[in-house]
Parts: sequence; C-alpha cells; structure tokens
Amino acid sequence: EVQLVESGGGLVQPGRSLRLSCTASGFTFGDYAMSWFRQAPGKGLEWVGFVRSKRFGGTTEYASSVKGRFTISRDDSKSIAYLQMNSLKTEDTAVYFCTRDSHFAFDIWGQGTMVTVSS
Amino acid sequence: QSALTQPPSVSGSPGQSVTISCTGASSDVGSYNRVSWYQQPPGTAPKLMIYEVSNRPSGVPDRFSGSKSGNTASLTISGLQAEDEADYYCGSYTSISTYVFGTGTKVTVL
Repeated sequence: EVQLVESGGGLVQPGRSLRLSCTASGFTFGDYAMSWFRQAPGKGLEWVGFVRSKRFGGTTEYASSVKGRFTISRDDSKSIAYLQMNSLKTEDTAVYFCTRDSHFAFDIWGQGTMVTVSS
Repeated sequence: QSALTQPPSVSGSPGQSVTISCTGASSDVGSYNRVSWYQQPPGTAPKLMIYEVSNRPSGVPDRFSGSKSGNTASLTISGLQAEDEADYYCGSYTSISTYVFGTGTKVTVL
C-alpha cells in the first residue's frame, strides 16, 4: 500500500525549533519530489515547500512565508522526508501534511501532524 | 505569491451540476497547464481529483471535470451526490518554481 506517515508534531514555544518526519512506503521514494503543506485551524491549505528528487538535483523551493526559517531535506536510503522548522512563530500553528509530487500535482497525502506554537 | 481566488461556497441539489472557479494570474494559472484540484471532507487529508487542468486520477468518478481559460481554471461536478459535500481547493505551479493554492470552496449538497 502506498502510504505517507508524518511524525514529530507537538507543542513548542515561540522561537524554538521542531523537526517533522515523513516516512514513505509502497513506492520508490527516490523517484519523486516531496512537498510539505500546512493548514491552520479552520483555514485553507498552504504549500510550504518541496525537495526535488536526486535526478533533478535534490534542490528545494519554499513559500515566502517560511523561506529562511524552514528547511526540507530527504534521506532516500530510509524513504524519509524532513521538515526542519526554526524560529517558530505562533502563526506557524497548523496541521502539517507531507505529499508525493506527481505531474505537478500532489497525489498521495499523509494523515498530518499537529504543530502548536505557544508559550 | 497571492492565493488563488475561489468562491467561498457553492451549493446544489442532488443531480445538479456545480462549477467552482479558480482565478490566478499570468504567472501561475495562465502560464501552465499545471492546475490541480483537491477534495477535503472535514477532518481528513485532501484527495487529488484533477491534475494538469483536466486529467482524472484512477478511481475519481467522471462526474468531476476540469477546464481552464486564460487565468481562470474551473472544476465542474456533474450529477451532484451527497458524498461530494466537502471543501475543494485548486492549486497551480508558478513561474518561480513554487506552488500556490486557492482560498477554498465549500460545496454543500442541499
């Protein structure tokens, strides 16, 4: 079964850091770009960023709202994508989803992990 | 990058058709055939319904169709069913190699 499972969410104080993981199974992880999204409570979906496959350089792109604070990386040997979040703000509170990129769309989604930034 | 504009809500009776618009700019929707649509029932993860403007993934009913004209993309649900009640989002690749999503539309089946 093709599946993505996020982990690492929780409660964190403003200004601190948190790393989320996205573990993939059921497909050749290294062949795909991987994206992260977030959804604040009661709000819409926001694309956070993505990491390309090694075939396309493994480079990253980010939304302007997180650029310079968030870093996406991947470990193809473990089929895991990471979202390192630094200098967290209260407005980063959201459910964070990881997704598989295919045909410039997002065809597989994880169940999401909640991140709450509060003192 | 500003969010793509969608109507907050649309509604229809069972069997009717509804259309959701998604308006962007020449730097995103207008530039590429890389528009996708997602269905998100309450409390669940989004599900891909349409990719590359008008293509349906395997398993998505053919009641769902997509199109694009200029800077505006559209999702049409024909033969509306109770199970179609959900939030719907559009998304587009952009000229700066990022993605931008829509504001979301709540579809209500009357």
